Amino acid sequence: AQSVTQPDIHITVSEGASLELRCNYSYGATPYLFWYVQSPGQGLQLLLKYFSGDTLVQGIKGFEAEFKRSQSSFNLRKPSVHWSDAAEYFCAVGARDDKIIFGKGTRLHILP
Amino acid sequence: DTAVSQTPKYLVTQMGNDKSIKCEQNLGHDTMYWYKQDSKKFLKIMFSYNNKELIINETVPNRFSPKSPDKAHLNLHINSLELGDSAVYFCASSPFGVTEAFFGQGTRLTVV
Repeated sequence: AQSVTQPDIHITVSEGASLELRCNYSYGATPYLFWYVQSPGQGLQLLLKYFSGDTLVQGIKGFEAEFKRSQSSFNLRKPSVHWSDAAEYFCAVGARDDKIIFGKGTRLHILP
Repeated sequence: DTAVSQTPKYLVTQMGNDKSIKCEQNLGHDTMYWYKQDSKKFLKIMFSYNNKELIINETVPNRFSPKSPDKAHLNLHINSLELGDSAVYFCASSPFGVTEAFFGQGTRLTVV
């Protein structure tokens, strides 16, 4: 069965520091992979997606993610975080039967 | 223009009542979803419709009944509400199959 693991429930970084959020997936074929962000009281906004091709994908708000098939990972990175990046981040995998499965999320806290 | 809109945004009701949440998308997408987000922020798919036809029904109690009058609308009706139904319910849509999903702002349901 398809699954997504986000091993870090909470991550705290200082403003201006770099960020990496981890995501591992389980899927039998080449997956569709997504990162979404949810600000408090808001819906989910797509940051970036990977379907095929270049394994380093660029997204909105200065985020990028790298697909590593050998590690079944799709980690999200940002070189310098801003206070407005504090939110919940969800990694998701698209499955063949039209289902998008989400990880349990990582809450990002930013220290001033 | 709101791409995926849900009403109401907040819903407080007593146990045993019946309530509905409405969802509309103006993106021309064929596929629509209902997701439930629990208090720990875990997102779980409930239903998926493709062009008004039910595609996915994820072991949801039959008190929950989705209805899609046309491909732009997917409503969720809940009978005999229970305390455990308290959650945020998100509607989403996607162009077809497993491409990125566009989410509404969510409906926070509180059952008292």
